[in-house]
Amino acid sequence: KQEVTQIPAALSVPEGENLVLNCSFTDSAIYNLQWFRQDPGKGLTSLLLIQSSQREQTSGRLNASLDKSSGRSTLYIAASQPGDSATYLCAVTYSGGGADGLTFGKGTHLIIQP
Amino acid sequence: KAGVTQTPRYLIKTRGQQVTLSCSPISGHRSVSWYQQTPGQGLQFLFEYFSETQRNKGNFPGRFSGRQFSNSRSEMNVSTLELGDSALYLCASSLVSERQGRGAFFGQGTRLTVV
Repeated sequence: KQEVTQIPAALSVPEGENLVLNCSFTDSAIYNLQWFRQDPGKGLTSLLLIQSSQREQTSGRLNASLDKSSGRSTLYIAASQPGDSATYLCAVTYSGGGADGLTFGKGTHLIIQP
Repeated sequence: KAGVTQTPRYLIKTRGQQVTLSCSPISGHRSVSWYQQTPGQGLQFLFEYFSETQRNKGNFPGRFSGRQFSNSRSEMNVSTLELGDSALYLCASSLVSERQGRGAFFGQGTRLTVV
């Protein structure tokens, strides 16, 4: 059974800092990995999608990497801003047997202090 | 291009009642998946529909069901509501399926409270 873990569970940093969020998954049999952002009480906003054959994706101040063999992904946020405050979720699409759908981590709750 | 639309945004129901939630995917997307989000369990996969057929189902009791119409709109139904069904229900839309690598796009969710 695929399991996804995100560390840390919560993080508070001053504005302007660069930071790294971590995601690990137990089974390397994945189609892709996706990072999402969720604001309180809202739905999920897709940030970056990395195919299993790719090593990284970039969008603006965000960079996500994927090391499928070790079951790890990182989300790098450069020059953090208060507007980046949200919960960040990592999810994988498992290519093994069993139910389809995304398997999510519990998320990292990020607070950027002005 | 309109995003994923879920209605209603908020619902309050009584134990034992049933509820129907609706999801309209992004135009052209044929796959719709449903997820339950609770503080304790996080996000959990309920089921996926593609071309009006349930393609996959997560580990939820039979009280949770769904369907998809020919225009790809989907409904989710929960019968005999329990207090533990209180959650944010999220719908995700994909071009073909999440495993096809095009990504999943989520709606704003329906907040269901069972009293």
